[in-house]
Amino acid sequence: DQQVKQNSPSLSVQEGRISILNCDYTNSMFDYFLWYKKYPAEGPTFLISISSIKDKNEDGRFTVFLNKSAKHLSLHIVPSQPGDSAVYFCAASDGRNTPLVFGKGTRLSVIA
Amino acid sequence: DGGITQSPKYLFRKEGQNVTLSCEQNLNHDAMYWYRQDPGQGLRLIYYSQIVNDFQKGDIAEGYSVSREKKESFPLTVTSAQKNPTAFYLCASSPGQGWDEQYFGPGTRLTVT
Repeated sequence: DQQVKQNSPSLSVQEGRISILNCDYTNSMFDYFLWYKKYPAEGPTFLISISSIKDKNEDGRFTVFLNKSAKHLSLHIVPSQPGDSAVYFCAASDGRNTPLVFGKGTRLSVIA
Repeated sequence: DGGITQSPKYLFRKEGQNVTLSCEQNLNHDAMYWYRQDPGQGLRLIYYSQIVNDFQKGDIAEGYSVSREKKESFPLTVTSAQKNPTAFYLCASSPGQGWDEQYFGPGTRLTVT
């Protein structure tokens, strides 16, 4: 049973427009969420995170929104650039010394 | 430079042979992890270790073994019992405080024929 779901396997966006990547979770014990970015044949790199005490965290072009009642988070990238083309993984932690739980990823393609 | 190294980048083995993938970190992190990535499957946890000389099975541990004799090293052995060993293997580490941000190595692509 998937506790972290990324229901869109892929997404295509025009350069300069907004990219919105979505993530849903089922475990109400999750209290910390992270987004990772992965290029082919490389390890994922940390992008941005959010704690459950917040509903928004911003870092440059990247903003993560958390809706705890809906158990939903989203990553917004504005403006999208061709270098943003990668697979994005959502991950969640319950802070109880258990490993991060990852979604299956969404492949973002930013078209010039 | 602090980081995680995995070697080799590409590894080829014949079916029936055991193979060990290397993972070393100089970040002084307590926790280390092994993941496997297959197309459309995301990152699946194989084994993890929170402290030296201790490790736990992840979601797909069958056919794999690990050791954690040193803080900086967490090698993964893919045994002949693993039915579908061909995959991209990722090692990661974290400070061990609350299991938040994990740092990943560059990965090893294992091909078994």
